[in-house]
Amino acid sequence: DIVLTQSPVLAVSLGQRATISCRASQSVSISSINLMHWYQQKPGQQPKLLIYRASNLASGIPARFSGSGSGTDFTLTIDPVQADDIAAYYCQQSRESPPTFGGGTKLELK
Amino acid sequence: EVQLVESGGVLVQPGRSMKLSCAASGFTFSSFPMAWVRQAPTKGLEWVATISTSGGSTYYRDSVKGRFTISRDNAKSTLYLQMDSLRSEDTATYYCTTDQRDWFAYWGQGTLVTVSS
Repeated sequence: DIVLTQSPVLAVSLGQRATISCRASQSVSISSINLMHWYQQKPGQQPKLLIYRASNLASGIPARFSGSGSGTDFTLTIDPVQADDIAAYYCQQSRESPPTFGGGTKLELK
Repeated sequence: EVQLVESGGVLVQPGRSMKLSCAASGFTFSSFPMAWVRQAPTKGLEWVATISTSGGSTYYRDSVKGRFTISRDNAKSTLYLQMDSLRSEDTATYYCTTDQRDWFAYWGQGTLVTVSS
């Protein structure tokens, strides 16, 4: 299975930029298609799709969220961070079955 | 508005069975592959199973193969997960989600399954 590694916690100040990383154990890209996706999960709630295929914003997601990366290294950026963004963020790959998720990064306030 | 509402989660003893349901509305259910994704308490997300639009193809993670069965009733817009021979490690919140073949776009609120004696 493809293993996705995320830092467990990221502390950030409101109004600043947050950069959340996800590293895959092998490439999750096929040609120019990057099969990495990002989700937000607030406490007690279900996950919500933020970004699909590395850089495409899901419907209804604010433009302060963006994604980048290719191959094995991917980044979710939130700029500027707002109070409503305090949550856990998960990456997920669909390059190989089974689809796997990273362990999640909890975004906390400094 | 897309809605996915799971039900059926309870406390069950190891080795027993249970069946989860997910009622879908707000979209053409029969046009989407569907999946179950679970999350153990305080842990991350784990894909469990996927079913094709017709129900003719199903896919499972290794740890549940032979014990879990995913199915659907397109006439009722309902997804199911039959779970047999339950183990303590199956304890989790189970989410119903639309499987866009790459990503999981819409998620239900989840139903908690606790396997304990």
